[in-house]
Amino acid sequence: DQQVKQNSPSLSVQEGRISILNCDYTNSMFDYFLWYKKYPAEGPTFLISISSIKDKNEDGRFTVFLNKSAKHLSLHIVPSQPGDSAVYFCAASVTGNMLTFGGGTRLMVKP
Amino acid sequence: EAGVAQSPRYKIIEKRQSVAFWCNPISGHATLYWYQQILGQGPKLLIQFQNNGVVDDSQLPKDRFSAERLKGVDSTLKIQPAKLEDSAVYLCASSPKTGGETQYFGPGTRLLVL
Repeated sequence: DQQVKQNSPSLSVQEGRISILNCDYTNSMFDYFLWYKKYPAEGPTFLISISSIKDKNEDGRFTVFLNKSAKHLSLHIVPSQPGDSAVYFCAASVTGNMLTFGGGTRLMVKP
Repeated sequence: EAGVAQSPRYKIIEKRQSVAFWCNPISGHATLYWYQQILGQGPKLLIQFQNNGVVDDSQLPKDRFSAERLKGVDSTLKIQPAKLEDSAVYLCASSPKTGGETQYFGPGTRLLVL
């Protein structure tokens, strides 16, 4: 039972354009959501998070949107840069409990 | 501030052999996690420690996997005996408190079981 799903295994965008990565979840008890970025041969690196009391959180080029009614969150990267090329994982938790990760989306930003 | 350290970075063993992984979390972090990441999938939690006590080991295959965190700092994860399906990256993460707040990951140990 996959409680967190990233339905797009890969995404390719042009440098300077917007990258939109999507994530769906099924557990309505999740109240904290995170995005991690992973380069090859490295561990995941925390990128940005959002609590369920908010619907948007912004940090520089990265913005996470949360739609609780649709059980959907998305990560927007504007503008996209070649260095953003990596695998992106969304994760969710019920505060105080373990993180559940999606399967990841590989983002390729072309120069 | 030093990050989460893991060793070895790579390990190749034959099935039915034993293997152990080591993790040193970020200094002062009370909570330590071990994840298994199979190729093409997201990390899956195996076990969570709060200081030296186990908080959640519900997804740890206890017939072959064991983990300990003596003195509430370093941790070791052992597989005995290994199976082919254990081939994966084993990630260690730590966080200051407990639960789903931001976790900081080490580089992982890539295990190949032949």
